[in-house]
Amino acid sequence: ETGVTQSPTHLIKTRGQQVTLRCSSQSGHNTVSWYQQALGQGPQFIFQYYREEENGRGNFPPRFSGLQFPNYSSELNVNALELDDSALYLCASSLELFTDTQYFGPGTRLTVL
Amino acid sequence: DQQVKQNSPSLSVQEGRISILNCDYTNSMFDYFLWYKKYPAEGPTFLISISSIKDKNEDGRFTVFLNKSAKHLSLHIVPSQPGDSAVYFCAASAASGAGSYQLTFGKGTKLSVIP
Repeated sequence: ETGVTQSPTHLIKTRGQQVTLRCSSQSGHNTVSWYQQALGQGPQFIFQYYREEENGRGNFPPRFSGLQFPNYSSELNVNALELDDSALYLCASSLELFTDTQYFGPGTRLTVL
Repeated sequence: DQQVKQNSPSLSVQEGRISILNCDYTNSMFDYFLWYKKYPAEGPTFLISISSIKDKNEDGRFTVFLNKSAKHLSLHIVPSQPGDSAVYFCAASAASGAGSYQLTFGKGTKLSVIP
C-alpha cells in the first residue's frame, strides 16, 4: 500500500506567476484535503475534495483553486503568486469523507521570489 | 482567533522520563482530536486520536487524555526516547457545521528528548 505522494518536492517561482502542485492519495482513499504551512505555524486548511467535488474551503482567496480526478488524485493551483504564498503545501487523504483521520504527504516547498 | 492553542513552543525531557504535551481549544463543536508528529522536511505523521465520547486513549507509549469541560487535551509519552524528538501538532475537527471534517491545527510544540 503506497502512502500519499506529492510532486514536486521543491519549487521556486516569481511573483505573479502561476503554479500547480500535485497529490496522489493513499490507495483506496477518496477524500483529499490541502493545507498551507507557513514557517513556525501549524498547517492551515485550504480546501477539501470528496469524489471530485469541493467539500469545504478555508479562508483562502479564489486564486487558490483545486481539482480532484476520477482516480482521486488532486491538484492545487495558485494564480498570481504573492510573496506570502511561500510555504509548505501539504496534501492529506482520508478513507472517506466521514473519517476523521487524515494521512499526510511529504509536502511541496514553494518559494516565491 | 486561534481555535486550537499549544502554548508551549518547546519542551525538553530526559530520555526515559515522561513527556507531556498540552493543547487547549475554544470551539465547542470540535468532537475529534488528533496528534501528529512532524520531522523536518517531512509531512505530519498521524500518532493517536480521541473522540469526544472518550476521555482517554492509549497506543503503546502514547496516551491522549481529553478533558471536555476544560477544553483541554494532553499527550503523554512514556518512556520518552531520543527518536521522539520532533514537532508535535494538536489538531481538531468537527463532524457537523461549517468546516466539518477539516482539521484545525495548533502551532506545534518542539519536543527534544535528551539522551
